[in-house]
Amino acid sequence: NAGVTQTPKFQVLKTGQSMTLQCAQDMNHEYMSWYRQDPGMGLRLIHYSVGAGITDQGEVPNGYNVSRSTTEDFPLRLLSAAPSQTSVYFCASSSPGKAGELFFGEGSRLTVL
Amino acid sequence: DQQVKQNSPSLSVQEGRISILNCDYTNSMFDYFLWYKKYPAEGPTFLISISSIKDKNEDGRFTVFLNKSAKHLSLHIVPSQPGDSAVYFCAAYSGNTPLVFGKGTRLSVIA
Repeated sequence: NAGVTQTPKFQVLKTGQSMTLQCAQDMNHEYMSWYRQDPGMGLRLIHYSVGAGITDQGEVPNGYNVSRSTTEDFPLRLLSAAPSQTSVYFCASSSPGKAGELFFGEGSRLTVL
Repeated sequence: DQQVKQNSPSLSVQEGRISILNCDYTNSMFDYFLWYKKYPAEGPTFLISISSIKDKNEDGRFTVFLNKSAKHLSLHIVPSQPGDSAVYFCAAYSGNTPLVFGKGTRLSVIA
């Protein structure tokens, strides 16, 4: 039962570096999304996708790119990392009939120095 | 502007007593409300939900109440257990709009 798998679990970057957080799900879910969790800020939506080839911006999309070439994968790219992007990132997915019942990955903790 | 608000950052309750977590929302278009539970170093997990056409939904020890006129929902946990200690997030959405989360309430159940 893999569910939603995120890699890496931990990453340290220097300001200006780029990287990709990987997310894969094996539940054939159409909907996938990325959230970031910061102390006192809850979970804030970065980008989401309602199906392969379709992506849209969430509440805090600046500095991040996404693509959805397959149903299974939804990578999150940081183009030029900044200290403000230090956070815990969660990928989530859900089926069309239960759009709000998200299945989350275990999270990726990113530190930007 | 926050559409989903959890005004209590933390709550402590004795084991066996009732835990009541509160959530307010501002968007009257929301038609589905959910609670998620999060342990440290894990992703959030779905706990219980309620649609706007209902005012109560129960699942074992967990009950969610919705007061649409007050734009308020609450999660009741009875009886509270030490394993319930976690951060609880309230969330809401409407139609095809993505889920919006509150900032969370940290529940500590003291044995």
